[in-house]
Amino acid sequence: AQKITQTQPGMFVQEKEAVTLDCTYDTSDQSYGLFWYKQPSSGEMIFLIYQGSYDEQNATEGRYSLNFQKARKSANLVISASQLGDSAMYFCAMKRSGAQKLVFGQGTRLTINP
Amino acid sequence: EAGVAQSPRYKIIEKRQSVAFWCNPISGHATLYWYQQILGQGPKLLIQFQNNGVVDDSQLPKDRFSAERLKGVDSTLKIQPAKLEDSAVYLCASNPPGTRPKYFGPGTRLLVL
Repeated sequence: AQKITQTQPGMFVQEKEAVTLDCTYDTSDQSYGLFWYKQPSSGEMIFLIYQGSYDEQNATEGRYSLNFQKARKSANLVISASQLGDSAMYFCAMKRSGAQKLVFGQGTRLTINP
Repeated sequence: EAGVAQSPRYKIIEKRQSVAFWCNPISGHATLYWYQQILGQGPKLLIQFQNNGVVDDSQLPKDRFSAERLKGVDSTLKIQPAKLEDSAVYLCASNPPGTRPKYFGPGTRLLVL
């Protein structure tokens, strides 16, 4: 079975600082994908970034990067130069390759202070 | 392109009543999902459709929940009868088959009193 753990219920960061959101996962699959989503108060899940288990380089998308450490089974999200609009819930998720079902963690509420 | 549409956005009912939610996926997306997100938790997959066929409904409480996607486009999710623990946000998502799950609707917030 797959499991995602996000140990930080809440994070408070000053605007313009970088922030790391933790995610660890458990799976017996060799091929899988890891995802991060942002969920603002409006409720919609917004896809941020993806990392494949066989990708050798860490994924980056603008201000988002994924610190992938396969041996430690961690996939932390790094947001550089945080902005007030980054305040939201952030969810880590995974799925096995070839499947479509996502398994989500409990989420981390990020608050950016001016 | 238009996003995934859901209605209603909010619904308040009493326990033992019935309720239905509607989802219109992005045009051309064959795969459609319904997720349940209880407050303070991550979303949990209830059911996945590929066109109008069910791919995975292993976590759907079939004694009270039902879902259909008759023409392989729109989908409805029904709860009958509702329980207090069904209070949650119900998210619909869609994507073309074989692509990464990126497209979610705004969700329907259900409160069961």
